Amino acid sequence: NAGVTQTPKFQVLKTGQSMTLQCAQDMNHNSMYWYRQDPGMGLRLIYYSASEGTTDKGEVPNGYNVSRLNKREFSLRLESAAPSQTSVYFCASRGQKPKQDTQYFGPGTRLTVL
Amino acid sequence: AQKITQTQPGMFVQEKEAVTLDCTYDTSDPSYGLFWYKQPSSGEMIFLIYQGSYDQQNATEGRYSLNFQKARKSANLVISASQLGDSAMYFCAMSPLFGNEKLTFGTGTRLTIIP
Repeated sequence: NAGVTQTPKFQVLKTGQSMTLQCAQDMNHNSMYWYRQDPGMGLRLIYYSASEGTTDKGEVPNGYNVSRLNKREFSLRLESAAPSQTSVYFCASRGQKPKQDTQYFGPGTRLTVL
Repeated sequence: AQKITQTQPGMFVQEKEAVTLDCTYDTSDPSYGLFWYKQPSSGEMIFLIYQGSYDQQNATEGRYSLNFQKARKSANLVISASQLGDSAMYFCAMSPLFGNEKLTFGTGTRLTIIP
């Protein structure tokens, strides 16, 4: 099993450009999450999806949109990138196997906005 | 609202010694989960250990154990017999167990193991 996968691993954008970060999980988990990690800080939740067809805002949702395409996939879109969105983005999923209540993370996407 | 506090920005430990990473939390939820994640220099987030607020015994996973003191609202990670590969950032996190599933992270502790 691949677990949680993310694409791309690295991306450089110019201010105002748009892009979509892709995330997929093969663990049949219901819940999926998008976090950002900035230097010297822990992870902060951007959006999450408790199940297919539902999404909710997290701590720092401004400037982002999400789509829960199906149970496996949860994408994060930046419509007009800003330098403040330079960060490392992690996708995660949560289920009851193998550890109940635990979130499992993808490898991350390092995004730089110039 | 939930809050995680990790007061040790960095620690240096001799190889083979035990190390304790501190974590205190605050929450109004009656049921919650506490987690520790390891982030090596390669950047991935690796799940280490989980403790439920309702668990009577402290969680253990190999060399990792969680010293859970509910009355003090602390959930310290203990690594026994440290290894060079343990050098990494360590994050404490928590989430309510019902309803809101969001993980709240601390700011992390950078652990360096000295040969």
